[in-house]
Amino acid sequence: DQQVKQNSPSLSVQEGRISILNCDYTNSMFDYFLWYKKYPAEGPTFLISISSIKDKNEDGRFTVFLNKSAKHLSLHIVPSQPGDSAVYFCAATDSWGKLQFGAGTQVVVTP
Amino acid sequence: GAGVSQSPRYKVAKRGQDVALRCDPISGHVSLFWYQQALGQGPEFLTYFQNEAQLDKSGLPSDRFFAERPEGSVSTLKIQRTQQEDSAVYLCASSIDVNTEAFFGQGTRLTVV
Repeated sequence: DQQVKQNSPSLSVQEGRISILNCDYTNSMFDYFLWYKKYPAEGPTFLISISSIKDKNEDGRFTVFLNKSAKHLSLHIVPSQPGDSAVYFCAATDSWGKLQFGAGTQVVVTP
Repeated sequence: GAGVSQSPRYKVAKRGQDVALRCDPISGHVSLFWYQQALGQGPEFLTYFQNEAQLDKSGLPSDRFFAERPEGSVSTLKIQRTQQEDSAVYLCASSIDVNTEAFFGQGTRLTVV
């Protein structure tokens, strides 16, 4: 069963605007959440993470929000840049780092 | 090297052939993971090593899949008698310790014809 879900397969956003990517999970035992970015023909690159004891983590243009009661997290990218065009994966773990991934969201940043 | 290195980058195998995929993790990284990524999907967990010990192999799809990390560094994922459904990108990741960010290699794209 899919324990991590990204329901939007794609997102198009104008350069300079905010990109908001959403992720839902079903396993209440998940205690650590990560976002990875992936360019074609490359492996996923770690972007930002958040522990379940927090509800927000910020790193430059990237902010991750966690709503445990709703089992929902989101990634905000502000401002969006052309280089942000990639596939973004949400991932979660409940133990020693074994990751459960969502199916990914393809982000396209247009000029 | 600076990052996780996987070889080969691309592999075409005839159905029934055995293949071996190699992963060189970042030096000093204790944890090593293998994932399988089908087209249009997120990576799916296959197996996990902590040093040379394989602590979880619950994601291996069948007994045709075998992984090892004999000296706690380089790891090999072997697939015997490949089938078309084995076609995927196989990703290796390593992390310095448990519950720290994992760094991924570029993957090996396996195509079984």
